[in-house]
Amino acid sequence: DTGVSQDPRHKITKRGQNVTFRCDPISEHNRLYWYRQTLGQGPEFLTYFQNEAQLEKSRLLSDRFSAERPKGSFSTLEIQRTEQGDSAMYLCASSFWTGSGYTFGSGTRLTVV
Amino acid sequence: AQTVTQSQPEMSVQEAETVTLSCTYDTSENNYYLFWYKQPPSRQMILVIRQEAYKQQNATENRFSVNFQKAAKSFSLKISDSQLGDTAMYFCAFMKQETSGSRLTFGEGTQLTVNP
Repeated sequence: DTGVSQDPRHKITKRGQNVTFRCDPISEHNRLYWYRQTLGQGPEFLTYFQNEAQLEKSRLLSDRFSAERPKGSFSTLEIQRTEQGDSAMYLCASSFWTGSGYTFGSGTRLTVV
Repeated sequence: AQTVTQSQPEMSVQEAETVTLSCTYDTSENNYYLFWYKQPPSRQMILVIRQEAYKQQNATENRFSVNFQKAAKSFSLKISDSQLGDTAMYFCAFMKQETSGSRLTFGEGTQLTVNP
């Protein structure tokens, strides 16, 4: 297992377009998390899954954002009608149990022009 | 809600010297975990060290150690024998102890530069 994989690494999109990011967690990890990080800031929580169940969503996750984790494996994060304020690094992480700490992916950098 | 504060936006240290990064947090929880993560430039976040709140003994990982003061809600990171590869953004993070999983709450980060 090579760790948490995120695809694509970079995405440039025009305002108003929809984008989808994918995250493949470490296979033994049943918990998967999405965070958003803007330049020079700490990551902000968006949502997390235990297996296929989405257990918590941040109020930062507006109606334009949706995340899925079908079959409890990979996850996708979709942003509809992108806005310039959505420009950020989107981080995915996974873990096996509470307190073990997360393993992060390299992130997807989104630029909305 | 939990908050994590890192009061030092930037720090620098000479190679081979020791540096301490500060972190304070606010919570009403009694059981929780604390973490330090390292994020090198344009690279992924890496776990440096973790501490369970119920343990009084401070965690250590090679050149990295913490000073955990539960009553003061303080969790500082000490890096000994600093190396050029330690240059990175360091984030302090808090997690409640919940069986169903829990979010990490991060501080604003401290940019550490190790100078040759």
